[in-house]
Amino acid sequence: DGGITQSPKYLFRKEGQNVTLSCEQNLNHDAMYWYRQDPGQGLRLIYYSQIVNDFQKGDIAEGYSVSREKKESFPLTVTSAQKNPTAFYLCASSNLAVQTQYFGPGTRLLVL
Amino acid sequence: AQKITQTQPGMFVQEKEAVTLDCTYDTSDPSYGLFWYKQPSSGEMIFLIYQGSYDQQNATEGRYSLNFQKARKSANLVISASQLGDSAMYFCAMREGWENSGYALNFGKGTSLLVTP
Repeated sequence: DGGITQSPKYLFRKEGQNVTLSCEQNLNHDAMYWYRQDPGQGLRLIYYSQIVNDFQKGDIAEGYSVSREKKESFPLTVTSAQKNPTAFYLCASSNLAVQTQYFGPGTRLLVL
Repeated sequence: AQKITQTQPGMFVQEKEAVTLDCTYDTSDPSYGLFWYKQPSSGEMIFLIYQGSYDQQNATEGRYSLNFQKARKSANLVISASQLGDSAMYFCAMREGWENSGYALNFGKGTSLLVTP
């Protein structure tokens, strides 16, 4: 089945630790996005990528990094510089012609 | 400035009744798109309906319709014949031109809908 997968479902981070969230899609979509959702809030854009080996910062990129080495994959690293990482992280992808974004099931990140 | 405003934090509706969820938006871009997503308690974001700024007719998808009033900059979601499974958070979102974050979405804060028997 075509879709977007995110792993892990839950992730625990210790102080000073970098952690990486996985996002994979088999929809052959060009664009991929990372959003952060805090309790009771809408989603905010962290990073986006339109093509392989290219990505752009969103509204809240500080403390995060990404890579886009393959069309199907867009991993997000939460670095130790991100002081308040506890949130729900959602990955999305879209076909640039159609532009509707489809989302993965999300990863909940908690700080120990 | 907030680009998407959802003024109803929570709504109740009785099963089989219709309900309208409000959304207003702010943009100076002539080309934009408006989306509604449903987020159940599991957390996944489910795409419901899309309206383009140049579309002449209101979008419909099954029990969902979008009441698009361009001059008033509103894009309300109407759910007809509510079902218990419609209980969830509902988010309105807008996509502006390519130069605005590569078609990334701006989201409202959401409306929590509870359908009662």
